[in-house]
Amino acid sequence: NAGVTQTPKFQVLKTGQSMTLQCAQDMNHEYMSWYRQDPGMGLRLIHYSVGAGITDQGEVPNGYNVSRSTTEDFPLRLLSAAPSQTSVYFCASETGGTQYFGPGTRLLVL
Amino acid sequence: GIQVEQSPPDLILQEGANSTLRCNFSDSVNNLQWFHQNPWGQLINLFYIPSGTKQNGRLSATTVATERYSLLYISSSQTTDSGVYFCAGPTDYGQNFVFGPGTRLSVLP
Repeated sequence: NAGVTQTPKFQVLKTGQSMTLQCAQDMNHEYMSWYRQDPGMGLRLIHYSVGAGITDQGEVPNGYNVSRSTTEDFPLRLLSAAPSQTSVYFCASETGGTQYFGPGTRLLVL
Repeated sequence: GIQVEQSPPDLILQEGANSTLRCNFSDSVNNLQWFHQNPWGQLINLFYIPSGTKQNGRLSATTVATERYSLLYISSSQTTDSGVYFCAGPTDYGQNFVFGPGTRLSVLP
């Protein structure tokens, strides 16, 4: 079991570029989420999904899109990167009230 | 959604010491979790504890839901306990969590 995996580990973008952060889990969890963590802060919810084909917005969804075509994958797309999106991004899956986090993607937008 | 507060914000211990971390939340909860973020950034779930007491080795947690707080106890601390400890409660967004600001723990050898 690889658990929750994320790629890339680190990415540098220029303002206005787009990119996709990948997230995959092999635990057959229906519930998946994306969070961002800014320096010295806890995590804030961006988007989440309760199952394939179903997504919803979290606390800070602006500037991000998601889709969920399979149970395993939950990619996060940055449409037009801005410096305010510099952060560490965590993907998580959930079962039985417990969340399992991926290792994170560190994103720097110049 | 609920508000989550944690104290203290920073804690420095000598190896072998015990500590108590506190989490207060603004409303009653049916789900509360404690996480440890190690110095490399990895988030590990420690306890799912909406009420009562649980123990896992040197760590234990108690949640008193009626009084809206939870405590995380670390006994005989080790340098590998260093990192940030977050508690998290339920949000208005499905089965997700709102995180407190964390307690940064440094255990010195």
